[in-house]
Amino acid sequence: AQSVTQLGSHVSVSEGALVLLRCNYSSSVPPYLFWYVQYPNQGLQLLLKYTTGATLVKGINGFEAEFKKSETSFHLTKPSAHMSDAAEYFCAVSERGNQGGKLIFGQGTELSVKP
Amino acid sequence: DTGVSQNPRHKITKRGQNVTFRCDPISEHNRLYWYRQTLGQGPEFLTYFQNEAQLEKSRLLSDRFSAERPKGSFSTLEIQRTEQGDSAMYLCASTPAGINYEQYFGPGTRLTVT
Repeated sequence: AQSVTQLGSHVSVSEGALVLLRCNYSSSVPPYLFWYVQYPNQGLQLLLKYTTGATLVKGINGFEAEFKKSETSFHLTKPSAHMSDAAEYFCAVSERGNQGGKLIFGQGTELSVKP
Repeated sequence: DTGVSQNPRHKITKRGQNVTFRCDPISEHNRLYWYRQTLGQGPEFLTYFQNEAQLEKSRLLSDRFSAERPKGSFSTLEIQRTEQGDSAMYLCASTPAGINYEQYFGPGTRLTVT
């Protein structure tokens, strides 16, 4: 069965610093990959996704992620953190070839941004 | 495009009572998903519909849970004889039919069972 591991349940950075949130998946066939953000008491919003093509994908709010097949990773980065980036971030996968498209989520990483 | 809506946003109920949640997907989205999210965890898949057909159910969906999408539009999720372990955020998402379009999530219904 597929699984997603997010290293670090809490990450704290200073405003203006690099944001790096880690995500690894376990699957013999590379899945479709997603990053979602969740603000308190809200639903999830898609930041970016990788399905095919270029392995470096750019998303909203200055975030980007790189798919590395050899490392089974899809880490999320942002060059300069902003206070408004403080939120919970979820990495998710969807099995390639599964017509249903259900998402399997990691446990989440809470990002704090210090002034 | 008004987004995915869910009602109610919050529900407090006593153990043993039945509750029903509603999800209205984005119009013309064929697929509708239900997920459950407990505190400090990522969402877990419960079930999904393509139009009115329920095509997959998770083992998490015990026999106390039932979901419907009678006309292929809105969906309801009912929990019978609620237990304290059912306390969670219940999220609904929708997407057009096809492979791996992004799922659009609603704001969720937070259930507290006392």
